[in-house]
Amino acid sequence: QKEVEQNSGPLSVPEGAIASLNCTYSDRGSQSFFWYRQYSGKSPELIMFIYSNGDKEDGRFTAQLNKASQYVSLLIRDSQPSDSATYLCAVNTGGFKTIFGAGTRLFVKA
Amino acid sequence: DTAVSQTPKYLVTQMGNDKSIKCEQNLGHDTMYWYKQDSKKFLKIMFSYNNKELIINETVPNRFSPKSPDKAHLNLHINSLELGDSAVYFCASDGQQETQYFGPGTRLLVL
Repeated sequence: QKEVEQNSGPLSVPEGAIASLNCTYSDRGSQSFFWYRQYSGKSPELIMFIYSNGDKEDGRFTAQLNKASQYVSLLIRDSQPSDSATYLCAVNTGGFKTIFGAGTRLFVKA
Repeated sequence: DTAVSQTPKYLVTQMGNDKSIKCEQNLGHDTMYWYKQDSKKFLKIMFSYNNKELIINETVPNRFSPKSPDKAHLNLHINSLELGDSAVYFCASDGQQETQYFGPGTRLLVL
């Protein structure tokens, strides 16, 4: 059973701090990795994708991938109350199939 | 100019009824999906269609029958609804590099 594991949280950080969200996956053959944000009552929206080992930065967001450890993370710098949401880690295992983690709830306190 | 749209947005029905959810995307994508998100927010793939052909069927009960009349549309028909079918159903289409674009969701409540 291919799985994607995330700590469900909630993760609470003060405004302006760095939020660190983590994810592990079981399928070593996975090639594509994604972070989606889902506000309560809304649909998931893509924040970042990463394919290669290392870091990828986009504004306040940095995705990190370590394929040897089967580990993906998302850092949010200068966290804002508007970042409060559930963050879903997703892994494409090939063949049109993406597996989502259960999500980590993030609260940013003003 | 909505990218992925679903109807209806809310669906409240009795056990045993049959209902349908419709999805349309105007992004020109070849691949579309149905996902189910339960009360614990776990998002699970149900079906995947590529160019109107079924690619993935994730051990979903055969009461659920998807249909893709063309690559811009993917509908979901559910027969004999059960309490456990209550969830949010998301349609999605697949963009560049396997990124998914989700519809607004259909909130199904079976009483």
